Amino acid sequence: GAGVSQSPSNKVTEKGKDVELRCDPISGHTALYWYRQSLGQGLEFLIYFQGNSAPDKSGLPSDRFSAERTGGSVSTLTIQRTQQEDSAVYLCASSRRSLAGGGVTDTQYFGPGTRLTVL
Amino acid sequence: RKEVEQDPGPFNVPEGATVAFNCTYSNSASQSFFWYRQDCRKEPKLLMSVYSSGNEDGRFTAQLNRASQYISLLIRDSKLSDSATYLCVVTRGSGTYKYIFGTGTRLKVLA
Repeated sequence: GAGVSQSPSNKVTEKGKDVELRCDPISGHTALYWYRQSLGQGLEFLIYFQGNSAPDKSGLPSDRFSAERTGGSVSTLTIQRTQQEDSAVYLCASSRRSLAGGGVTDTQYFGPGTRLTVL
Repeated sequence: RKEVEQDPGPFNVPEGATVAFNCTYSNSASQSFFWYRQDCRKEPKLLMSVYSSGNEDGRFTAQLNRASQYISLLIRDSKLSDSATYLCVVTRGSGTYKYIFGTGTRLKVLA
């Protein structure tokens, strides 16, 4: 079946511009996550949506970052007034809680990411 | 101390070799554990979940040691295509949605 899709795959922008990154999760997955991965670094959690609950925004690095999830499906991550340190790969993942191995598990499946370059 | 620690490698092994990676985690309340594989400039892909009883999937075996707070991944009969970065992933305590990623262990399988 279809996996997580993200667009655009690459985005080059000038410092100070706003950008919008889109994520289409796997159909039926109630949870959606945004991460950021800088070159040679691990994944950094940004934000989490679960159904109609209030999102967990604890990972957003500044108030220039915001995200929405409309209709419990597609999500948009917006970065305002981009800075060079925002350059990274932005990864989206979705998951559906399931029973496995004797317990509840919440396996995340990732999209291909958006490579953002801020000049 | 990092919440999830991995040896960055690289581990350079010949084809056919057996290689093992360990990953330690600091939160004793962590509930779920995974190994993900990430190829260069690609997204992480689930390799396997790690269950308390240990589990095997073909050439790959994962183990969990809660007492010592580490998980391991064993790869038997290494293939060139196994070359990748292997990410250890642990959930943060009882908030099972919050994944904490290790920075990964790089494996190179040599012909």
